Amino acid sequence: AQKVTQAQTEISVVEKEDVTLDCVYETRDTTYYLFWYKQPPSGELVFLIRRNSFDEQNEISGRYSWNFQKSTSSFNFTITASQVVDSAVYYCALSDTGRRALTFGSGTRLQVQP
Amino acid sequence: EPEVTQTPSHQVTQMGQEVILRCVPISNHLYFYWYRQILGQKVEFLVSFYNNEISEKSEIFDDQFSVERPDGSNFTLKIRSTKLEDSAMYFCASRPNRENGYTFGSGTRLTVV
Repeated sequence: AQKVTQAQTEISVVEKEDVTLDCVYETRDTTYYLFWYKQPPSGELVFLIRRNSFDEQNEISGRYSWNFQKSTSSFNFTITASQVVDSAVYYCALSDTGRRALTFGSGTRLQVQP
Repeated sequence: EPEVTQTPSHQVTQMGQEVILRCVPISNHLYFYWYRQILGQKVEFLVSFYNNEISEKSEIFDDQFSVERPDGSNFTLKIRSTKLEDSAMYFCASRPNRENGYTFGSGTRLTVV
């Protein structure tokens, strides 16, 4: 069975600080996909990134970066120089060949204070 | 950019009534999903649909729920007899194939009173 754990329930930072959101996953499959979604106060789910289990290269997109480590089953998300607009709930999610639909973590609420 | 469209954005219904939530997935997508998010909780999978049939469903998706793709463009979720605990945000999602990411709609907030 799959499981996604986001141990940080809420994080508060001051603008321009860097912040890392942790994600630990469990799956028995060797082929799986990991995702991050942003849910701003307006409620929609905004896709940020998708990685497959065979691609362990870290990725950077502007102020966002992702660190995928199979050895620790982690897929952490870092926001550099945070901004107030980054305030949202961030969800890590997993799909594998057992359950192809997404299994979401419980989310991390990020508050960026001006 | 193509979007998944959900209507209505907010629906209020009385307990015991039937509701139909509507979604228009992206036109060349083949896999369709419904997810639910109870207020303050995480997003939960309900059901996936492919080739005009349910391909997977969760334990939440009991006999009160059904899905349909009636006309090749709409994808609906029906709740036969709503309960208070069905109050949640319902998200529709679609994707072109199993290797691609999911595109979510902006959700329908269902309030059962």
